[in-house]
Amino acid sequence: DADVTQTPRNRITKTGKRIMLECSQTKGHDRMYWYRQDPGLGLRLIYYSFDVKDINKGEISDGYSVSRQAQAKFSLSLESAIPNQTALYFCATSDPYSGLAYEQFFGPGTRLTVL
Amino acid sequence: GENVEQHPSTLSVQEGDSAVIKCTYSDSASNYFPWYKQELGKRPQLIIDIRSNVGEKKDQRIAVTLNKTAKHFSLHITETQPEDSAVYFCAAPYGGFQKLVFGTGTRLLVSP
Repeated sequence: DADVTQTPRNRITKTGKRIMLECSQTKGHDRMYWYRQDPGLGLRLIYYSFDVKDINKGEISDGYSVSRQAQAKFSLSLESAIPNQTALYFCATSDPYSGLAYEQFFGPGTRLTVL
Repeated sequence: GENVEQHPSTLSVQEGDSAVIKCTYSDSASNYFPWYKQELGKRPQLIIDIRSNVGEKKDQRIAVTLNKTAKHFSLHITETQPEDSAVYFCAAPYGGFQKLVFGTGTRLLVSP
């Protein structure tokens, strides 16, 4: 089945370290998103990309950067991790050409802990 | 931009009871309202959605209602079962409907 995958699934790092979270999809969708989930705050958009040449900031992009290496790959980087970036991170995709243009398909998530 | 508020944050019911979760939105131009279910340790998945040209949509034990005038929409789960226990998120589109803004989530616990 076509799917959205994320690596790593769990990561513990130290303050100041640079880390990269990776997302791959076999759904053939053009649109990809990165969210973070914190208890009581829901899902908040960090960055999104509508194609390889289109990268946009979401509502909480400070401290993060992204790279869209191909249609199928969208990576999130924390240049210098800090403890308040400890969260569950989700990648998602959507297909603007389908009848369910707004439906988003989520990856399994990456649990990041910054010590 | 769009703002979505969701209530309650937690909801406990007995098996067989009904559960209702409510969301309000701010952008009167929004026209699509999905609900996602996230089971413990799993990814969010779409369970039902509604477009602004209808007032209600049902799928077996779940239904969503929309009141465009009041700018709120609700998820209704009837005959709840323990497997309905999860976190539920509502959402609404913004930014030219290219993105979704999510509510803060409702943790539903169904006790046997």
